[in-house]
Amino acid sequence: TQLLEQSPQFLSIQEGENLTVYCNSSSVFSSLQWYRQEPGEGPVLLVTVVTGGEVKKLKRLTFQFGDARKDSSLHITAAQPGDTGLYLCAGGGGSNYKLTFGKGTLLTVNP
Amino acid sequence: NAGVTQTPKFQVLKTGQSMTLQCAQDMNHEYMSWYRQDPGMGLRLIHYSVGAGITDQGEVPNGYNVSRSTTEDFPLRLLSAAPSQTSVYFCASSSGRGTGGYNEQFFGPGTRLTVL
Repeated sequence: TQLLEQSPQFLSIQEGENLTVYCNSSSVFSSLQWYRQEPGEGPVLLVTVVTGGEVKKLKRLTFQFGDARKDSSLHITAAQPGDTGLYLCAGGGGSNYKLTFGKGTLLTVNP
Repeated sequence: NAGVTQTPKFQVLKTGQSMTLQCAQDMNHEYMSWYRQDPGMGLRLIHYSVGAGITDQGEVPNGYNVSRSTTEDFPLRLLSAAPSQTSVYFCASSSGRGTGGYNEQFFGPGTRLTVL
């Protein structure tokens, strides 16, 4: 069974601060996705990374896939209240049909 | 496009009752799946389908049945509801054509189920 551990579990910061969220596993993933979920809604895909060492930027969000494709990080620069939500990482294995989710990091950005 | 739709949005059942959670997508996606989300447990895969007539089990399939008679619809049936099935249920679909293949999924808004 592939497991993804996310840290921290909870994060409360002030508007304008920077933060990093981590997603770690002992397994190798063929691809890794980051989703954001707002209260009462389903997760929404933010990004997919597939190559070891890959870095992708989405406005103030920077995503990195580890060289060994076992871990990933999400860095947010100058966080805003609109960034508040549950951030989930998810990994796909060889079958490509079963997506494994981490338990998420609940981010609160206070104005 | 409406994307992925789920009905009902809320449901309360008594132990032993059966019901069907509906899921439909209008994006002509081959892949559809059902997850449950519980506090402290994250999202766990219940069942998935890679096309009409094809279904398979995920991580937590016990107590649930699925069928896929059309590309658009993927209902989830609870045969005899138990309090342990109290959860938020999400349906998702994927075309498989993105960078991450079937792992790039579109989620519905969820059904909040309480079993008393």
